[in-house]
Amino acid sequence: DTEVTQTPKHLVMGMTNKKSLKCEQHMGHRAMYWYKQKAKKPPELMFVYSYEKLSINESVPSRFSPECPNSSLLNLHLHALQPEDSALYLCASSQPGLAKNIQYFGAGTRLSVL
Amino acid sequence: KNEVEQSPQNLTAQEGEFITINCSYSVGISALHWLQQHPGGGIVSLFMLSSGKKKHGRLIATINIQEKHSSLHITASHPRDSAVYICAALLAYNNNDMRFGAGTRLTVKP
Repeated sequence: DTEVTQTPKHLVMGMTNKKSLKCEQHMGHRAMYWYKQKAKKPPELMFVYSYEKLSINESVPSRFSPECPNSSLLNLHLHALQPEDSALYLCASSQPGLAKNIQYFGAGTRLSVL
Repeated sequence: KNEVEQSPQNLTAQEGEFITINCSYSVGISALHWLQQHPGGGIVSLFMLSSGKKKHGRLIATINIQEKHSSLHITASHPRDSAVYICAALLAYNNNDMRFGAGTRLTVKP
């Protein structure tokens, strides 16, 4: 099983809403990532968890709050987002410590903020 | 200057043509990743390589570490190959960190 599952696939929310994106993998990977991708642009790294600890936070606004409850799950809590936060949010996982650290990506959650 | 540069940005080909997408990088890497992204979002890993050449079906990836350059070739291209192809450099000093090229949008016409 090389699948990374993201839910929901699509999300529309208002600027005052609170919502969460979920990501799950059962490959035994101990690194999980959140990326943001705007249209026609490459993914931008937001957060990396390694062994359930936040290891990279690329100066993301506090309205995005990651959570890694266990080694298989990664959440992204959203609160008071802006319309410019509308994007595709991708989750990935990998096994840290390997020289060739292949990241496996989920299908993404397409977020629209109204 | 971006750490990972791809060319061309856009590429249109006729079915059956041989396609080459290029990637140059300026950072120290442990490996280079070629990814495919179809409309709708999902990203699929095609290759990860740190030296030489890899082949999978009609896809071939090569890397020259000295020149900091990699190429992705598609032989006998097909309309279903239409996608965005992204090269991404896995950093040598932190292999949780990957730097992405801007992507090459490939359209293969029947």
